[in-house]
Amino acid sequence: EVQLVQSGAEVKKPGESLKISCKGSGYRFSSSWIAWVRQMPGKGLECMGIIYPGDSDTRYSPSFQGQVTMSADKSVSTASLQWSSLQASDSAMYYCARLLWIGDGRSFDYWGQGTLVTVSS
Amino acid sequence: EIVLTQSPATLSLSPGERATLSCRASQSISSYLAWYQQKPGQAPRLLIYDTSNRATGIPARFSGSGSGTDFTLTLSSLEPEDFAVYYCQQRSNWFAFGGGTKVEIK
Repeated sequence: EVQLVQSGAEVKKPGESLKISCKGSGYRFSSSWIAWVRQMPGKGLECMGIIYPGDSDTRYSPSFQGQVTMSADKSVSTASLQWSSLQASDSAMYYCARLLWIGDGRSFDYWGQGTLVTVSS
Repeated sequence: EIVLTQSPATLSLSPGERATLSCRASQSISSYLAWYQQKPGQAPRLLIYDTSNRATGIPARFSGSGSGTDFTLTLSSLEPEDFAVYYCQQRSNWFAFGGGTKVEIK
């Protein structure tokens, strides 16, 4: 059974750093792209970027380039998303999701349960 | 930049009724459109990929159609567990999602 299990909720202050994680199981983790998707309170879904754990090839959405850093450690089947200096506007639910790549189609077939990040002074 | 516009924003229906959700792209995206369902407090779930292919375990009452710029998700007969928010997503321009349609109980 494919599973993506994310790290727990975080409460941080503005300016602090943070790294959240997503551990995959039930499939060959190194062979599928992983995406990070943001959902702000009461809002829709935004794909922040994708990473290929096999070689850590990373693609960022222009909206998130320079704002976050994605990484992956295939030896422990874990992808991570980190911030060096959080802002209140980073408060959101963050999901990891596996990219389903069939021919020219791309969609997200398995999702983590989400990590709620709250940034408040 | 390709923008996906979903309509209506809210659909009020009763169990057993047919639901028709629309997703319109600002330019052609061929057939590379997916649909997701999200219930409160849960992660999104993939329903349909590449316009009309049901994902693993998705009931046959969910169907997708369309091409180019106009796409439709149809729920043939609403079950109580189908009341949720539905998002479309394309891959032609950075995996953008539509704004969502909420299907609520009338």
